[in-house]
Amino acid sequence: GAGVSQTPSNKVTEKGKYVELRCDPISGHTALYWYRQSLGQGPEFLIYFQGTGAADDSGLPNDRFFAVRPEGSVSTLKIQRTERGDSAVYLCASSPNQGDWQFFGPGTRLTVL
Amino acid sequence: GDSVTQMEGPVTLSEEAFLTINCTYTATGYPSLFWYVQYPGEGLQLLLKATKADDKGSNKGFEATYRKETTSFHLEKGSVQVSDSAVYFCALTMGGGSNYKLTFGKGTLLTVNP
Repeated sequence: GAGVSQTPSNKVTEKGKYVELRCDPISGHTALYWYRQSLGQGPEFLIYFQGTGAADDSGLPNDRFFAVRPEGSVSTLKIQRTERGDSAVYLCASSPNQGDWQFFGPGTRLTVL
Repeated sequence: GDSVTQMEGPVTLSEEAFLTINCTYTATGYPSLFWYVQYPGEGLQLLLKATKADDKGSNKGFEATYRKETTSFHLEKGSVQVSDSAVYFCALTMGGGSNYKLTFGKGTLLTVNP
């Protein structure tokens, strides 16, 4: 079956613009995570969804970042007024239930010029 | 807070050499421990895991043992292959409550030469 998919694979934008990054989890997976990976670093947690609700958004760096998962499947990470420091690879992961290991997507590479 | 420290790379080995990548952790409780691997151009994949002290995770010839006394989870392989060239990440999750978010180390780049 299909794994976790993320679109777009690459996104180049200008400072101050708004971007949306999409994640399609594995079908039936209730838990969904967003991480951010900067160059030379390990992934860092941003937000966790259990079903439709954001159960933990403590990793979001500031209020320019927001994520939704309205139907408990696809999730969108939204970044307003992008800054050059937002440039990173944004990873999405899903798992069948909380506590199961996570399956990662290929990531979206965001570059803010 | 919880953290993971792994040996800095890059690590360069010849084919059939022995591999060790060190990983230690700091956590307030008893985490589950993981090794993830990222092959060139691909997403993160779970390599192995261990959920309690003295457990040994193993997969594809790789092994790691959860050592509570030394708070370590070192990755080993007896004979590496060129196809093992990748970035390896050690990670932990505390679980509990409703969030099993992963805390990762910085990653170790392994290059295996023929």
